[in-house]
Amino acid sequence: EAGVAQSPRYKIIEKRQSVAFWCNPISGHATLYWYQQILGQGPKLLIQFQNNGVVDDSQLPKDRFSAERLKGVDSTLKIQPAKLEDSAVYLCASSLFSQRNEQFFGPGTRLTVL
Amino acid sequence: RKEVEQDPGPFNVPEGATVAFNCTYSNSASQSFFWYRQDCRKEPKLLMSVYSSGNEDGRFTAQLNRASQYISLLIRDSKLSDSATYLCAVNDRTGKLIFGQGTTLQVKP
Repeated sequence: EAGVAQSPRYKIIEKRQSVAFWCNPISGHATLYWYQQILGQGPKLLIQFQNNGVVDDSQLPKDRFSAERLKGVDSTLKIQPAKLEDSAVYLCASSLFSQRNEQFFGPGTRLTVL
Repeated sequence: RKEVEQDPGPFNVPEGATVAFNCTYSNSASQSFFWYRQDCRKEPKLLMSVYSSGNEDGRFTAQLNRASQYISLLIRDSKLSDSATYLCAVNDRTGKLIFGQGTTLQVKP
């Protein structure tokens, strides 16, 4: 079974630029999550989708971050404009059901903002 | 108080040792508990779910103590390959998972 796919794996940008990340979840997984993991910390949830609807985006900095999952499968996360403190690994995860919550992570995108 | 807390370590143990980590959580209504393993510069991988009755998988045993609000992970007969960061995850009152900062384990020859 193919795992969660993410691209790009690495991205370096300058502050105030924009960047987008892509995620394709495990086939059949209805729930998709975007996490931010800063070095030395655990992953922090940014947004959770159930199919193509947003379940939780309470920790998404909406002035600069946006995410969509238009067809209920793959998803994109965008940052515009980026700040230095956005340097982190952005992890996508998926689960079969949100209630069960066993989440499987993709390899992540390592973002460096200069 | 953080919702999920772990001792960051590092825990340095010799091969063959038994080591245990705890993870405390603040929400008494939490229902889902997990241990993830994260290797350096890799994504977290699900190690095991933690059930009320405990869970054992080979050298790994996970326990839940609801009264004291913590979960534990015991690793017996440590291998060099067990060196990693171990993240606990607990669901909060809205259902979303909250991760601890992780505990780093270094197994030495």
